[in-house]
Amino acid sequence: GGIITQTPKFLIGQEGQKLTLKCQQNFNHDTMYWYRQDSGKGLRLIYYSITENDLQKGDLSEGYDASREKKSSFSLTVTSAQKNEMAVFLCASNGGRQDTQYFGPGTRLLVL
Amino acid sequence: GDSVTQTEGQVTVSESKSLIINCTYSTTSIAYPNLFWYVRYPGEGLQLLLKVITAGQKGSSRGFEATYNKETTSFHLQKASVQESDSAVYYCALGDETGGYKVVFGSGTRLLVSP
Repeated sequence: GGIITQTPKFLIGQEGQKLTLKCQQNFNHDTMYWYRQDSGKGLRLIYYSITENDLQKGDLSEGYDASREKKSSFSLTVTSAQKNEMAVFLCASNGGRQDTQYFGPGTRLLVL
Repeated sequence: GDSVTQTEGQVTVSESKSLIINCTYSTTSIAYPNLFWYVRYPGEGLQLLLKVITAGQKGSSRGFEATYNKETTSFHLQKASVQESDSAVYYCALGDETGGYKVVFGSGTRLLVSP
């Protein structure tokens, strides 16, 4: 088995601030994902990375940057946080095409 | 693009009664993508409940079943007798057959099981 760790658990920032969320996995999975989930809504894909140093945009990439520093870690940066932006950001990983995704516990973002 | 529709935002069922959570999908792929049900129990992370990769096949887990129906493009989740511990949010999802890496999620259905 393995685990996905997301830090921080809660992130509070100011409008216009650059904020970074981090994700670590020890499954030794090649592919990692960042999703945004607004309250009562489904998951929307922000970025994914097929392998180390690869980055692919999802449907919601505008306003975000991502970085896959090494196979086990995947970071997401909110480039300019928007006021009243409240969502949970979920990190996931899997071993390849259409494989089961394993999710982290999430980072809850609040922008004041 | 591809999409997944879950029509019920919340379903309330009495314990020991049967359950159906509806899921339909739309895909531009000529092949048959993988279909998934994920679940989030209170206080826990999102996890796979079941997965079916072949059209016409049925998947099952923890007493839940779902059949991949390519004619009706549906993947409804069913259980014959629910328990209070089944209370959770259930998400239907569709694998992206074109690129292979993306997954499209439905909006989720919250199941409340009353004693």
